[in-house]
This record gives sequence, structure tokens and C-alpha cells, in this order.
Amino acid sequence: GAVVSQHPSRVICKSGTSVKIECRSLDFQATTMFWYRQFPKQSLMLMATSNEGSKATYEQGVEKDKFLINHASLTLSTLTVTSAHPEDSSFYICSARATGGFTEAFFGQGTRLTVV
Amino acid sequence: AQKVTQAQTEISVVEKEDVTLDCVYETRDTTYYLFWYKQPPSGELVFLIRRNSFDEQNEISGRYSWNFQKSTSSFNFTITASQVVDSAVYFCALSEADYGGSQGNLIFGKGTKLSVKP
Repeated sequence: GAVVSQHPSRVICKSGTSVKIECRSLDFQATTMFWYRQFPKQSLMLMATSNEGSKATYEQGVEKDKFLINHASLTLSTLTVTSAHPEDSSFYICSARATGGFTEAFFGQGTRLTVV
Repeated sequence: AQKVTQAQTEISVVEKEDVTLDCVYETRDTTYYLFWYKQPPSGELVFLIRRNSFDEQNEISGRYSWNFQKSTSSFNFTITASQVVDSAVYFCALSEADYGGSQGNLIFGKGTKLSVKP
């Protein structure tokens, strides 16, 4: 399958700082990227969907000013957690999808964020 | 609305036992995709299978097999002769298909934690 690289895999930051997570499609052009969040011992929940060159669409309850998503190129999307707090500690994982018919989406490796 | 239910929160078996993980889904779409993922403690999602709504054939891959039944909206996953390395959380997921037939975002079940003891 196609390769999606997510970086960093783990990050610890101080409360009040911002953290940027990158999601790259290495061997295809990702017109759509999905960002999910997984709290400990829970399921994965969609946070937002972004299409290249457009503003992201956020799910209900997700603060767009706190979770900034940029999808400026066909191979890179970034999620920035601004002014992070301990309750933002979670596993964040992206999924990228190419254009065209019957295409599937591929997951990155995920980022475990710990805010102290 | 779309929904995926994995009623089994945790299952514990002894090595070499067979185990079936249940998945029931709800959707109004006629075209959709079903998935199973494995999530080991490292957190990474390991893709196991994708099945589209028009393909009800059961599938076998080594010790893994899947039973898709649209009549009961179920997509169950069986591991034969389980091994300790099978211990993980398993997620069933559903995705609608967009106008081009491409996969949309995934709706995940709550997951089933499988523990295989030696």
C-alpha cells in the first residue's frame, strides 16, 4: 500500500506551548487528509477533514482555533495544537487519500502527544 | 447515521484457541466500505482488510478470516489458532463512499481488546 509518514511519533510539551504534527504522503498526491484523535483506552474519532488548498472542515465539538490544520500542498498536511493543555494529551493520527475513483485512504504512524 | 458496534470490550483466550470478534454496523448508504484494523501497544494502526458493500464473499488470509453478512449488517473477524502476538486492540470501521466511489472518513467501533495467554 501507499506510504504516509507522520512526524513526530512522540512529543512532550509544556502546557501553554504549541505543537505541530506533520503528515506526508510519500508516494502519492493526497488531495484529502483526515485527522483523528484517540484518547487513552478509547476509540478513534474524526477531528477534521482537509482538502488541498481549502479550509479544513471540523467535526462538531472540535475547536478550529485550537487545532489549526494546513493542507497547502498535495503531499503535506499539518496539525498544530495551539496553547496545549494536559487535556489535549492524546494520540493523533492522520489518514491521506489520493484523487481519482475507488481510492482508499492510508494511515500515518500516529503521534502521541503528552502535555505536562 | 452511521454507527459501528463492537459489543465485546475485552476477550481473553489461551493460545491456540479460535476467537471471533463481532462487528455490527449501521448505515443508510448502499455503497460503503468495511474495515478491520489491529492496534498493538505501539499505537500504530495495522490494516487487516477492506471490504466493499457489493462483495459479500467471505475471505481467508492465513489464520484470519472474515464473515460479511449484509442481511444482519455484520462483519465478524475470526482468528484461528490464536497466538500471543495476536494480542492487541482490534477495531472495526465503516466508511461511506463518495460520488466517485472513493473512501471517506472512517467511523470506528470502540474496539475489542484481545489478550492471548500462553
